[in-house]
Amino acid sequence: EAQVTQNPRYLITVTGKKLTVTCSQNMNHEYMSWYRQDPGLGLRQIYYSMNVEVTDKGDVPEGYKVSRKEKRNFPLILESPSPNQTSLYFCASSLQGAGTGELFFGEGSRLTVL
Amino acid sequence: GESVGLHLPTLSVQEGDNSIINCAYSNSASDYFIWYKQESGKGPQFIIDIRSNMDKRQGQRVTVLLNKTVKHLSLQIAATQPGDSAVYFCAENTGGFKTIFGAGTRLFVKA
Repeated sequence: EAQVTQNPRYLITVTGKKLTVTCSQNMNHEYMSWYRQDPGLGLRQIYYSMNVEVTDKGDVPEGYKVSRKEKRNFPLILESPSPNQTSLYFCASSLQGAGTGELFFGEGSRLTVL
Repeated sequence: GESVGLHLPTLSVQEGDNSIINCAYSNSASDYFIWYKQESGKGPQFIIDIRSNMDKRQGQRVTVLLNKTVKHLSLQIAATQPGDSAVYFCAENTGGFKTIFGAGTRLFVKA
């Protein structure tokens, strides 16, 4: 089954404790992206990757890091989480660049930073 | 800056009626538009898309209309069903690698 898998789905952590949210897709997609979803603000792009070893900032990259060492994986790293990073996070992938086709989303990871 | 917004945050319709969800965009350079549906506890799912060289596109029970003159996008759902209850997002892309999403409209379908 074609899918985007995120882990963990739910996480409660404390300020400053490094964490990683993993994302994996099995569709051989070149493009992957991370979004955060907050009430009333829709989905805002954090980082995206056009292919292996190629990443770029989205609209809200502060406090986040990403890596793309393999085509299927695109982890989101919070080096020192803060309460304002409490949010619902979505990973998405697309066969080509996001301008040429639909995005396939994971089920989301709800993060709470105390 | 660029923005994609929605005229109504919530929409309530009777089962069987048609639904119209509206969206305004501000970037005249946007050339690709998408509607996504997000059900509770799930990620957004693609519904239908349209490119700027078109003004209408139809899918199964859904139609997207694009009016570039006033930078307006709408999603029409025919014979709305309870399973259509969800949050609907419009999104735009300017040809780069960024997709900008609107804030979303929650659709309630009354039985």
